[in-house]
Amino acid sequence: QKEVEQDPGPLSVPEGAIVSLNCTYSNSAFQYFMWYRQYSRKGPELLMYTYSSGNKEDGRFTAQVDKSSKYISLFIRDSQPSDSATYLCATNTNSGGSNYTLTFGKGTLLTVNP
Amino acid sequence: AAGVIQSPRHLIKEKRETATLKCYPIPRHDTVYWYQQGPGQDPQFLISFYEKMQSDKGSIPDRFSAQQFSDYHSELNMSSLELGDSALYFCASSLILTTGGNTIYFGEGSWLTVV
Repeated sequence: QKEVEQDPGPLSVPEGAIVSLNCTYSNSAFQYFMWYRQYSRKGPELLMYTYSSGNKEDGRFTAQVDKSSKYISLFIRDSQPSDSATYLCATNTNSGGSNYTLTFGKGTLLTVNP
Repeated sequence: AAGVIQSPRHLIKEKRETATLKCYPIPRHDTVYWYQQGPGQDPQFLISFYEKMQSDKGSIPDRFSAQQFSDYHSELNMSSLELGDSALYFCASSLILTTGGNTIYFGEGSWLTVV
């Protein structure tokens, strides 16, 4: 079992819809949580970063972390065709010294249809 | 803002050949990571360097090696290439935050095709 589980989708929604992307993790040592957006054949782009339970909002994006249930979510409001990409959740923890290796979910492929 | 720079962007090599990928981290970032992403897969951690010293090791094959130089750029050397090495190779760099965590930023990747 992967340490970070993410439904790979694909997920297809109409423009303007609210999108909910979710991940679960098994290692309670994970402290920091991120969402990356990756367009085809491009590098992952950091969207959201949080290190505590609760919500963090940035424009149309809201990241939610529930450490008690080891559940992380990304909500996209008023989704746009340009949001079509693969969304990767990621967590990291200090593995000693200055090591903060990322553990990724499999990624969810999102398509927003105009 | 400056990003992580990788070169070359595309590379085609034959089996058993050697390839070298280069990475220039974001200025003032002290940690460099290398990841491998196969088609339809999530990025797999290979190796990382902190202040020019290897800091963590993941699923990097023995045929691969990497180092970080005095100017903080890093190189990933891959020898005896196999067809299965065909993938996107990402370099990432990070800055440790006051919260104790860090944010990791990725380059655009180097696409290696082994034929």
